[in-house]
Order: sequence, then structure tokens, then C-alpha cells
Amino acid sequence: SQKIEQNSEALNIQEGKTATLTCNYTNYSPAYLQWYRQDPGRGPVFLLLIRENEKEKRKERLKVTFDTTLKQSLFHITASQPADSATYLCALSSSASKIIFGSGTRLSIRP
Amino acid sequence: DAGVTQSPTHLIKTRGQQVTLRCSPKSGHDTVSWYQQALGQGPQFIFQYYEEEERQRGNFPDRFSGHQFPNYSSELDVNALLLGDSALYLCASSFTGAAYEQYFGPGTRLTVT
Repeated sequence: SQKIEQNSEALNIQEGKTATLTCNYTNYSPAYLQWYRQDPGRGPVFLLLIRENEKEKRKERLKVTFDTTLKQSLFHITASQPADSATYLCALSSSASKIIFGSGTRLSIRP
Repeated sequence: DAGVTQSPTHLIKTRGQQVTLRCSPKSGHDTVSWYQQALGQGPQFIFQYYEEEERQRGNFPDRFSGHQFPNYSSELDVNALLLGDSALYLCASSFTGAAYEQYFGPGTRLTVT
């Protein structure tokens, strides 16, 4: 069955460093991969989408890579700030209808 | 722009009862998806509605049903509630032309006792 794994349940890094989150998947060939941010008690917020034929996408301090051979995506936050602390969700889809989410990585940025 | 709104915010029901959750999509959006999120887990896709029809469904029993209305708002109905149905129910809206970019509401926290 389709499976998405995000590298760890929690990641704790120093302010100013680059946070790197990993998303691995199996038994799936997604056309799109997305990253969302979720704060406690709130719905996820869309951050970035990358297509299967794209290797990398950037948005301000965020960078996403997508390796369909390794079946892996890396999500980077450069110059991290305490305000970046949240749970980050990886999501895959092969159609516009159904999106499959990972269980998320809880990122904490300490001052 | 109010964004995606959901009601109620919180709900407590007893096992065996029925519940209806409501969602109003973001202005300009015509597609609504529903997700169930258990504590510490990612959202699980329930189904998606477009043009008042269920377009695709996840691995949820028939106890979960829904509707979409001409104004694109949507309802999620759950019958014969089980303790395991306790979760955060999220509604997400999108526009058909950019269907992968989904905007989520704040969710409805359902507790079944």
C-alpha cells in the first residue's frame, strides 16, 4: 500500500541554522508533492507545490527538492526563526482529487 | 476574504448518534474536500465534492456521507458514531483550475463519548 514517511516526529534546531525535513514514499508515483505548515489547533497552510518533472522550487527562505528516483523530497528552511516552529506535513497526489498526507514533523527553533 | 470557514468549532456526541459538520469554501473556490485528522497524525482524505457530486472517496465506510450545495458550501454527515470517530475534521477548498493548492479551514473538533 502507499506509504509516506517523514524523517522524524520532532526536530529541534538553533535559530539561524537551516532546518532540513525529509519525506520518503513507497508504492506510489505522485505527479505532485506539496508541503504544508500546521500550527496547533489550526488547519494546514499550503506552502509549496513541486511537480514530478521539477527538481527544485524556492519561495523566500523555503526550498523543496523532489527526487522521483529516490522517492524522496527534502524541505529546507534557511535562516530559521522561532516563528518557524510548527508541524510540517508532506503530501502527495497523482490527481487533483485525492491527496495523501504524511504524519508530519514537529519543528522547534530555539533562540 | 473570510477564507474557509467551518462550524461548529467543537462538538461532543454520544456513541451511536449522528452528526453534521458544515463548511463554506473560500470565495472563488468550487471544490471542497473533507479530511479526518487524528491526534499526532496527518489528515486522512475522506472525499471530495465538485459540481455537487462526490468526485473521489478515500477509505472510509458508508457511515460517512456528504453534500455540496449550489453555492459550493458542503456538509459532512457521520452516522452511528463510534469512539474512533473522535478527531479533527478539516474542510479544504480549491479552484478547479488550481486544484492542488488547497486552503484548509480551522477544523471541527469532534469528541465521541
